[in-house]
Amino acid sequence: NAGVTQTPKFRILKIGQSMTLQCTQDMNHNYMYWYRQDPGMGLKLIYYSVGAGITDKGEVPNGYNVSRSTTEDFPLRLELAAPSQTSVYFCASSYDRSSGNTIYFGEGSWLTVV
Amino acid sequence: GENVEQHPSTLSVQEGDSAVIKCTYSDSASNYFPWYKQELGKGPQLIIDIRSNVGEKKDQRIAVTLNKTAKHFSLHITETQPEDSAVYFCAAAPSGSARQLTFGSGTQLTVLP
Repeated sequence: NAGVTQTPKFRILKIGQSMTLQCTQDMNHNYMYWYRQDPGMGLKLIYYSVGAGITDKGEVPNGYNVSRSTTEDFPLRLELAAPSQTSVYFCASSYDRSSGNTIYFGEGSWLTVV
Repeated sequence: GENVEQHPSTLSVQEGDSAVIKCTYSDSASNYFPWYKQELGKGPQLIIDIRSNVGEKKDQRIAVTLNKTAKHFSLHITETQPEDSAVYFCAAAPSGSARQLTFGSGTQLTVLP
């Protein structure tokens, strides 16, 4: 049982480049999330999705886009990379919207923009 | 919105001693308080959680206490072991809104052998 799988694990981007962080989950969860984690800080929600075809902004959405064409996949796209987007990105999923349901995290993607 | 403050940012204890991490929150509507453990190079993993209708919850060596009046909650780890070394995050959310989960800034716990 793989859980939440993210790729790539590490990536270096040049300013202005674009890339997509891939995320897939095999737990048939309705809810999926993208967080970023900066040094010494907690996780900040970038975007979330409550089901296929539905996405919404979180706390820090600027500079990112997402799509949810299937229940399993929730890719995060950076269109014009900026140094401020250097961070660790975590994809996560949960069964439904109740905050009492466990959120499962992927292992993270380390992104450096130079 | 919700603001969660977590203290201390770093904590070193001797193996076998207890460790306590404290969090405060600002939104009285929050009633779900999970704790996550993040090992080096891994994603956060839920270790224990508590709802506002409960004052304390235990799971083996881990316990969480909640004081809704004072708006603070704490993680207690007893008989610490080297494998407890990790970053611990607290979080708070109102019921029915996992997307509104607000995280603390984390505590780096080091258990010295």
